[in-house]
Amino acid sequence: DSGVTQTPKHLITATGQRVTLRCSPRSGDLSVYWYQQSLDQGLQFLIQYYNGEERAKGNILERFSAQQFPDLHSELNLSSLELGDSALYFCASSNFFSGGAPDTQYFGPGTRLTVL
Amino acid sequence: DQQVKQNSPSLSVQEGRISILNCDYTNSMFDYFLWYKKYPAEGPTFLISISSIKDKNEDGRFTVFLNKSAKHLSLHIVPSQPGDSAVYFCAASQPTSGTYKYIFGTGTRLKVLA
Repeated sequence: DSGVTQTPKHLITATGQRVTLRCSPRSGDLSVYWYQQSLDQGLQFLIQYYNGEERAKGNILERFSAQQFPDLHSELNLSSLELGDSALYFCASSNFFSGGAPDTQYFGPGTRLTVL
Repeated sequence: DQQVKQNSPSLSVQEGRISILNCDYTNSMFDYFLWYKKYPAEGPTFLISISSIKDKNEDGRFTVFLNKSAKHLSLHIVPSQPGDSAVYFCAASQPTSGTYKYIFGTGTRLKVLA
């Protein structure tokens, strides 16, 4: 158990809909990362938040947005869903780097999104 | 454009033998390389990392080798155990605007046969 929780575990919805994925980081971790893993693909970095502020953006579509709340949990909002958005969405947390090596990221179990 | 490539989707190895998982990258700005292991229905877990200024890092049964001139790294598992059966992801970190971005490969599924 990494200490990172994600809800829901599974989500089935229709094209055009909007969903919200939730992530609670490990206790004490200030940084949250979101990744997307489509079929036969590696993990694609979407976005990083640190202590409530956006720190880095990856290949995140404009239809997707995220935020990190004062209690440090994070939500990933996916709107106008398309069939191609079906994927595993992982959240990871870390204590953020101390200026040297990148901190270890601890991953949650993921949310499997199916868009029909 | 895939900056981190794992060209072998799967690998089978006999228990007790060596498992070698390979990874190639294209971006010379990567400063750390990491390996993650993933079991079904779980998130990836960190296994071992190596700085770009080193060529080897060892942790128990796991050793990562880095060949910067070839832009290639490999993970050696000796001896392989059935519990090592999982998907292994290679990742590279790129410093950017005061933080790091991780670029992951597509993974190699390792099966250790008893």
